[in-house]
Amino acid sequence: DIQMTQSPASLSASVGETVTITCRASGNIHNYLAWYQQKQGKSPQLLVYNAKTLADGVPSRFSGSGSGTQYSLKINSLQPEDFGSYFCQHFWGTPYTFGGGTKLEIK
Amino acid sequence: QVQLQQSGADLVRPGASVNLSCKALGYKFIDYEMHWVKQTPVHGLEWIGVIHPGSGGTAYNQKFRGKATLTANKSSSTAYMEFSSLTSEDSAVYYCTREVISTVVATSYYFDFWGQGTTLTVSS
Repeated sequence: DIQMTQSPASLSASVGETVTITCRASGNIHNYLAWYQQKQGKSPQLLVYNAKTLADGVPSRFSGSGSGTQYSLKINSLQPEDFGSYFCQHFWGTPYTFGGGTKLEIK
Repeated sequence: QVQLQQSGADLVRPGASVNLSCKALGYKFIDYEMHWVKQTPVHGLEWIGVIHPGSGGTAYNQKFRGKATLTANKSSSTAYMEFSSLTSEDSAVYYCTREVISTVVATSYYFDFWGQGTTLTVSS
């Protein structure tokens, strides 16, 4: 099974800053990686799929990159609505495991 | 519009079974595989398994094999997950989510819609 290691587990940043979250897969996942945002008490929402393709309606300040086993989600110019939790997930065969999550908080 | 409507929160006794439901609205139910995901503060998001509503074919995370049973009713466009022999470790929020498999530009896989989640509490 592919394991996903996500870092950092938590992150404190100010509005306007740029942050990067990373996920490392235990094996090559061939860009089959998605990123989700989750607000407290809500369901996850898709941000990025295929490592770098933005989902419909996602602001361009979000961007995904990476290949092989290393992937990143970058958020430029943080906005108040960006605070919450972020998860990566691979789709290179079941089980579709998730990263442990990153909690992004306001500094 | 696409919606996945999940059954309400449940409080059940240890050792019991529970059947969670997920009603699909706004799309053709049999055209998309339905997945189930468990979320806890300790273990985060865990993939439980998947069902293809058209064929009834399933696949499970080894961790949940024998614990979870996925079924689907095509006539009511509803997916179900039965969770058996419940313990406190099964207390969690459970989500159903639809998988998109697209080959329009490049082969893509992702979960585009999620249910609102069902909170399951196992307690005596």
